Amino acid sequence: GQNIDQPTEMTATEGAIVQINCTYQTSGFNGLFWYQQHAGEAPTFLSYNVLDGLEEKGRFSSFLSRSKGYSYLLLKELQMKDSASYLCALAGGYQKVTFGTGTKLQVIP
Amino acid sequence: DVKVTQSSRYLVKRTGEKVFLECVQDMDHENMFWYRQDPGLGLRLIYFSYDVKMKEKGDIPEGYSVSREKKERFSLILESASTNQTSMYLCASRWDRGPGNIQYFGAGTRLSVL
Repeated sequence: GQNIDQPTEMTATEGAIVQINCTYQTSGFNGLFWYQQHAGEAPTFLSYNVLDGLEEKGRFSSFLSRSKGYSYLLLKELQMKDSASYLCALAGGYQKVTFGTGTKLQVIP
Repeated sequence: DVKVTQSSRYLVKRTGEKVFLECVQDMDHENMFWYRQDPGLGLRLIYFSYDVKMKEKGDIPEGYSVSREKKERFSLILESASTNQTSMYLCASRWDRGPGNIQYFGAGTRLSVL
């Protein structure tokens, strides 16, 4: 099976940088997703990492280390609209995507 | 833009009722999914379908069934609703091009079973 751990909640200041961690235990997976979900809305895709290393996309970056069972999402120049839940998910066997419980990020002025 | 539409945002039903949750996507996606989302438990997969009339059980299929008669529509059925099925239900779809393909989600249906 797959076990995914994320912090439940985080608070950060507008303009700052925040790192949201995701650790997992799994026998194998194809890649790792990050999704953003604003309260009351649908999750939306942020990133997908297959290889180890950092993938940068504007203010958001995602990192994967398969050997350490670890990923993080880095958000720079935080804005109030970044207040949301961030979901880490593993792409496993055929069609299967397993989600973590999500990290609720609150950005304060 | 990909659009995944769920028929209701909020639904209130009574214990024992048969409940239908409908999901329609407009991008000709092969794969469709039903999840429920509960505080502290995250998104859990109930059922998915990789083609018309095909279905596979997810992690928590008990108490649910599904129907996919047309490619664009995937229905979740609660045969006899129970209070522990009170939850947020999310539908998703994607193209069948491997596990790295992005899932597109609907806005969700918040179901309360009284």
